[in-house]
Amino acid sequence: DAGVTQSPTHLIKTRGQHVTLRCSPISGHKSVSWYQQVLGQGPQFIFQYYEKEERGRGNFPDRFSARQFPNYSSELNVNALLLGDSALYLCASRSGQGPSEQYFGPGTRLTVT
Amino acid sequence: GNSVTQMEGPVTLSEEAFLTINCTYTATGYPSLFWYVQYPGEGLQLLLKATKADDKGSNKGFEATYRKETTSFHLEKGSVQVSDSAVYFCALNINAGGTSYGKLTFGQGTILTVHP
Repeated sequence: DAGVTQSPTHLIKTRGQHVTLRCSPISGHKSVSWYQQVLGQGPQFIFQYYEKEERGRGNFPDRFSARQFPNYSSELNVNALLLGDSALYLCASRSGQGPSEQYFGPGTRLTVT
Repeated sequence: GNSVTQMEGPVTLSEEAFLTINCTYTATGYPSLFWYVQYPGEGLQLLLKATKADDKGSNKGFEATYRKETTSFHLEKGSVQVSDSAVYFCALNINAGGTSYGKLTFGQGTILTVHP
């Protein structure tokens, strides 16, 4: 079975632009979480979605938004990009709401210039 | 709030040496504890976990014991290999039911390099 997939792998954007990152969870997984990993730090929680509804949000500005589609795939959107948004963005999926393991994708490396 | 503190790296060891990476936590509820590993160019992989006090998680020769009295979850391995070179993250989530399980709080990571 395929694991969590993310696209694109890398991208470079300019300050002020908008970016959309995509995530496909493991088949059968209904919960998706997004994390931001700045170089040299641990991942920071951004959002959790379950059954297409936002179920948790970390301490990130409103420039960050996300959504989950009927097939449980997810998009993370970031508006008005800042240099500080440069990071590895990780998506993780779980089978449900209960205490199940999170499986991480390889991430999208975003560079803002 | 919840937080995780790991020993600072990088840690450099020779093959077959003993490994300890310290991890302590603060939590406002009852946490489950995890160690994740990140190999170069890859995403995070769950290495081991423990969901209640005194539980020992183990996998691939690594182990860690959930110590509630010292709020610690130190990672150990008796004999490291070159292939263990990676970044190791300690993490927790709070067992508050429902959506709480989807939010992991991570430490800053510890880089481990093992030389032949």
